[in-house]
Amino acid sequence: KNEVEQSPQNLTAQEGEFITINCSYSVGISALHWLQQHPGGGIVSLFMLSSGKKKHGRLIATINIQEKHSSLHITASHPRDSAVYICAVLSGSARQLTFGSGTQLTVLP
Amino acid sequence: DTEVTQTPKHLVMGMTNKKSLKCEQHMGHRAMYWYKQKAKKPPELMFVYSYEKLSINESVPSRFSPECPNSSLLNLHLHALQPEDSALYLCASSHKVDRDSPLHFGNGTRLTVT
Repeated sequence: KNEVEQSPQNLTAQEGEFITINCSYSVGISALHWLQQHPGGGIVSLFMLSSGKKKHGRLIATINIQEKHSSLHITASHPRDSAVYICAVLSGSARQLTFGSGTQLTVLP
Repeated sequence: DTEVTQTPKHLVMGMTNKKSLKCEQHMGHRAMYWYKQKAKKPPELMFVYSYEKLSINESVPSRFSPECPNSSLLNLHLHALQPEDSALYLCASSHKVDRDSPLHFGNGTRLTVT
C-alpha cells in the first residue's frame, strides 16, 4: 500500500465545473504539498499546508491532520487547469517528500 | 516562469558520452534537490544539498554525480548512462531543509539516452 494515495487517477470535467481531488496518507507528516505539472514537465507548487485551509484564486486546499486527508478544490474550472495534480507529504527529519501517483485532470471547453 | 532555471531543456546522449545538467536559482535558497521522473510516475528524490553539502543520496548509481559549486548552482554530471536512465530530471530549491520552506521546481531537463 502506498503511503500517499490520490483519487481519482483520472478526471474529466466540463468547463465551469467544481472539481475535487483527494489525497490520503498513512504516515505522520509535517506538511503537505499540492503540486501542478503541465505536459511540458515543469512543476509548480500550488500550496504547502500543515493545517486548516488555504485559498489562492480559484484554488482551495484543505487538510485534516486527524483524518490524514487533504483535498484540492478548483472552482469554475477552465481548460487551462488541465494538468497532473500531485499530492506530496513531507515527513521525517530529512525533508523527504513522498509523492502520490497524481491525478490527470482534463477540463473540456 | 519559474525562478529555478534548468539547462538544457532537452538532451540526447549516447551511453559513452559525458554530459552535465545545470540548475540555477537566485532566491538565496540554501537547499537544492535533484529528482528523476519517469513517464506517468511521480518524481523520485535523487540528491539533497544543504548549504552546499550533500546531505541525502538516495542510493543513486555512481554514473550520476552531483556537484554544488556554490549556493546558486547545482550540477548533475552524467557518465556511462543506460537507456533506462532516460527520464525528466527536475531540480528544486527551498529556503532551507525544513518543514516551513516550500519547494520551487524548475521546468526540468528531458534526457534521452540512446
